[in-house]
Amino acid sequence: DTAVSQTPKYLVTQMGNDKSIKCEQNLGHDTMYWYKQDSKKFLKIMFSYNNKELIINETVPNRFSPKSPDKAHLNLHINSLELGDSAVYFCASSPTPPGTSGVYYNEQFFGPGTRLTVL
Amino acid sequence: GENVEQHPSTLSVQEGDSAVIKCTYSDSASNYFPWYKQELGKGPQLIIDIRSNVGEKKDQRIAVTLNKTAKHFSLHITETQPEDSAVYFCAASTGTASKLTFGTGTRLQVTL
Repeated sequence: DTAVSQTPKYLVTQMGNDKSIKCEQNLGHDTMYWYKQDSKKFLKIMFSYNNKELIINETVPNRFSPKSPDKAHLNLHINSLELGDSAVYFCASSPTPPGTSGVYYNEQFFGPGTRLTVL
Repeated sequence: GENVEQHPSTLSVQEGDSAVIKCTYSDSASNYFPWYKQELGKGPQLIIDIRSNVGEKKDQRIAVTLNKTAKHFSLHITETQPEDSAVYFCAASTGTASKLTFGTGTRLQVTL
């Protein structure tokens, strides 16, 4: 009965390879996110999708491409991996889409993370 | 854009003592301030949040205060226990954007 799940938990790969991380939520939420946590534990948003539509795209290299086949899934594909991509990547979801009428409170629930190591 | 500063970066307290973590934010439009606890090897877990129309909120041993004028908000943990040891993050969000801007984290160590 995991709420937000990610696979794989660990990913070790060589520089230049292409890899994907998958995320699924069973909370019925409309909005999903990808965050990157660096070695200093700093958490920074990368992307946000609302009901399969991209709504936030922070300053992230084009090598990173999110894909949302449906509102319960948000996958992250990374091309031509670089050493600096090594980090823990977290998926999150929230119940309320942005931009709705009235005040919006952004309560987010995080997955367990995927530790990516690029050698 | 929003900028959130968090202090201290590390905090060590004895079991039973109180712990206070402070954050400041820059965007006066921010209206939602959650606190997350991250244990080793796990994702951040929401432990308490406060909205801009409230000055204080309490949940058992945890309380959060918000000063909108000064753009400060704080997390207070009373009667600390070893299982409170973790990294704590504050965050801020505006009502019209979906992203959370996180503070830099506080590593709390509760010693016996």
